Amino acid sequence: DGGITQSPKYLFRKEGQNVTLSCEQNLNHDAMYWYRQDPGQGLRLIYYSQIVNDFQKGDIAEGYSVSREKKESFPLTVTSAQKNPTAFYLCASSIVGGAYTEAFFGQGTRLTVV
Amino acid sequence: GQQVMQIPQYQHVQEGEDFTTYCNSSTTLSNIQWYKQRPGGHPVFLIQLVKSGEVKKQKRLTFQFGEAKKNSSLHITATQTTDVGTYFCAGPPGGQNFVFGPGTRLSVLP
Repeated sequence: DGGITQSPKYLFRKEGQNVTLSCEQNLNHDAMYWYRQDPGQGLRLIYYSQIVNDFQKGDIAEGYSVSREKKESFPLTVTSAQKNPTAFYLCASSIVGGAYTEAFFGQGTRLTVV
Repeated sequence: GQQVMQIPQYQHVQEGEDFTTYCNSSTTLSNIQWYKQRPGGHPVFLIQLVKSGEVKKQKRLTFQFGEAKKNSSLHITATQTTDVGTYFCAGPPGGQNFVFGPGTRLSVLP
């Protein structure tokens, strides 16, 4: 069953700790993305990657880091430098190029700083 | 850079009323996509429009792409409670990433 999986669904973090959010896809998509969504708000791009071992900063990359060591995986680390990390994090993937390039989203991870 | 705006930000309707959300881009788009996010859920792709002036229908939903390919609309006829959610338009992944509008949150009162 093809899809994109995020884990965990809920995550609690103490202030000052780094946490890593997992995102795995078996859709054979080259591109992967991380978005942050605050309550009642839209999607803000954190990082994206079009190819293994390469990624680009989005609009709000400060306090976050990513890696793309495998095509299937694009983990996001929320570092202690992120001042207000409590949010809903969405991972997405898509093909690159072609006429139809819809984004497929994971179920999301709700991160709460306690 | 490319910007995508949506209006209205919120819309409250009585069940059975119609609903329309509008999407405007600062640049010409090669295509436009629409997504729906149910409360507590994740965005789900609805449709993609490619051609100038294109109109597509999905049951009670009608999607339109402007002649100049800089604007789009989503119209829902006779809303139902299942239509509740936030509707996002998105520009194509030019520049390697999707540009999402801020979304229109629809609430339907039974």
